[in-house]
Amino acid sequence: GENVEQHPSTLSVQEGDSAVIKCTYSDSASNYFPWYKQELGKRPQLIIDIRSNVGEKKDQRIAVTLNKTAKHFSLHITETQPEDSAVYFCAATFDNDMRFGAGTRLTVKP
Amino acid sequence: DGGITQSPKYLFRKEGQNVTLSCEQNLNHDAMYWYRQDPGQGLRLIYYSQIVNDFQKGDIAEGYSVSREKKESFPLTVTSAQKNPTAFYLCAGSIRTANTGELFFGEGSRLTVL
Repeated sequence: GENVEQHPSTLSVQEGDSAVIKCTYSDSASNYFPWYKQELGKRPQLIIDIRSNVGEKKDQRIAVTLNKTAKHFSLHITETQPEDSAVYFCAATFDNDMRFGAGTRLTVKP
Repeated sequence: DGGITQSPKYLFRKEGQNVTLSCEQNLNHDAMYWYRQDPGQGLRLIYYSQIVNDFQKGDIAEGYSVSREKKESFPLTVTSAQKNPTAFYLCAGSIRTANTGELFFGEGSRLTVL
């Protein structure tokens, strides 16, 4: 089955700096790659996703890139704000089930 | 209000007892999922169901059971065979299968086995 690895496990940045979280996946058949944000005590919520026929997608301050050949994808957050502090999960979808990375705890210091 | 509703939010049980966590949805989702969340381990898939009366095992199905008798409901039973059941359990649904659709999560159920 699919195996998703996510790095780093924790990330601390200064407000206004950029943050990058990287994920690799094992199954080349995976074709949908979402990113979820989970604030403390709340449910995970989708923030951006990308499909395998696209290399990059952007939504305001967040962007995701996908390299199918290398089987890795990344989340980029620019101009970080304290409200970006949360745990971020990447996921890859194979054979109708979604497998998640272990999560990255992002802390944005004001 | 609606969406994915999980209950109870907190549950305490003695070791050796079976526990059933409820998950109900009013979003007409075809697919429903159960994940377990432990610190530092992300979300691990327990079971998922794409249609009524059908479900598939995820990575950590041992010690758990599910049913999907109605489209709206996907309860999870944590049996006494589950060796380490204390965890945060998240139910999710999607309109289509996860291959193409966003997962909508419930607020979770925190199970503590004493």
